[in-house]
Amino acid sequence: DIQMTQSPSSLSASVGDRVTITCRASQDISNYLAWYQQKPGKVPKLLIYAASSLQSGVPSRFSGSGSATDFTLTISSLQPEDVASYYCQKYNSAPPTFGQGTRVEIK
Amino acid sequence: EVQLVQSGAEVKKPGESLRISCKGSGDSSGPYWISWVRQLPGKGLEWMGRIDPRDSYTNYSPSFQGHVTISVDKSMTTAYLQWSSLKASDTAMYFCARTNGYNYLFVYWGQGTLVTVSS
Repeated sequence: DIQMTQSPSSLSASVGDRVTITCRASQDISNYLAWYQQKPGKVPKLLIYAASSLQSGVPSRFSGSGSATDFTLTISSLQPEDVASYYCQKYNSAPPTFGQGTRVEIK
Repeated sequence: EVQLVQSGAEVKKPGESLRISCKGSGDSSGPYWISWVRQLPGKGLEWMGRIDPRDSYTNYSPSFQGHVTISVDKSMTTAYLQWSSLKASDTAMYFCARTNGYNYLFVYWGQGTLVTVSS
């Protein structure tokens, strides 16, 4: 099975900072990469699909990039409401593996 | 607007059986799959398996194969996740999630069902 590895596992940044989370696949997954946001005690929410396409309604400060095995989620200007865990996921075939998650906090 | 509404929290004893549900409403005109995702306390997301409501075909993660059963009712509006013999290690939040099309991109999510297994 393809493994998805995220880094870092957690980060703390100031409001307005640019935040970058990386996700690496153990094999080529083309652009079948999604990012989800899960706020504390809430339901996961789809942010980005096809590695770089923004889901409807998601603020434009979120962006994604990458292909094949290396992917990045960027928050261009961190806001207090972005405190959450973020998960990457490959979705082209079973099993649709998630990364272990990155917890984002405000410094 | 697609909505998934899950059944309420459950408290069970080890060895007991349980079935939780996920009722969908809204646009069901196109093909889609329903998956179940587990989240252990304080941990990440794990895909358990999925079902195609149109033909009830299922596909399970090897980690969950044989321990849970995913099914759907004849109206194709409600999906189920079932255990025949719960363990304490099944204590978790369980989410149902729906795709648009035949893929594993989870566009819609249920609100989650907390299952607690304790003697």
